[in-house]
Amino acid sequence: GAVVSQHPSWVICKSGTSVKIECRSLDFQATTMFWYRQFPKQSLMLMATSNEGSKATYEQGVEKDKFLINHASLTLSTLTVTSAHPEDSSFYICSATRGETDTGELFFGEGSRLTVL
Amino acid sequence: GQNIDQPTEMTATEGAIVQINCTYQTSGFNGLFWYQQHAGEAPTFLSYNVLDGLEEKGRFSSFLSRSKGYSYLLLKELQMKDSASYLCAGWDSNYQLIWGAGTKLIIKP
Repeated sequence: GAVVSQHPSWVICKSGTSVKIECRSLDFQATTMFWYRQFPKQSLMLMATSNEGSKATYEQGVEKDKFLINHASLTLSTLTVTSAHPEDSSFYICSATRGETDTGELFFGEGSRLTVL
Repeated sequence: GQNIDQPTEMTATEGAIVQINCTYQTSGFNGLFWYQQHAGEAPTFLSYNVLDGLEEKGRFSSFLSRSKGYSYLLLKELQMKDSASYLCAGWDSNYQLIWGAGTKLIIKP
């Protein structure tokens, strides 16, 4: 299967600082990447959808100026949490698709656990 | 509105069989997925059904009834490592994934 790598796996930062999380598709070109956040014991919540070379589409309620998404190439998307606050502490997961609608399989990164002090 | 319903938690015994149900209401339908998620990890793909019927993959099988808006995931010969959350997700007409809240499966010896 296809491999998606996410980095860093764990990050602790001070309130007010910015954190960047990278999501890479290692052996395929990801036409679309998705960013999710997940609070403990809750389901995945889609934050935004990014297509290579275009602006991300944010879900309702997600602040695009706070969660900056860049999808500069077909193998890399980044999520930057700007001016992080303790309530931003969460598990952030990226996923990628090759654009195939016959199987629909999403390939997930390992996830990044953010703790804001 | 769009909705995916599945039980919050289930308990089963090692070696037994368990069926996790999922009902869905989506705007259009392009398939239904099951993912497994261990605590603290990202989800992993289990199955995708777009046609009615049962698809078997080793110990795991997934069933879909489009007319009833219903799916189930069947796990046989349960092992302790099967303790995880199982997420049901539906693809709507725009190929947007609608996620269920997940079913936490607890396996007891």
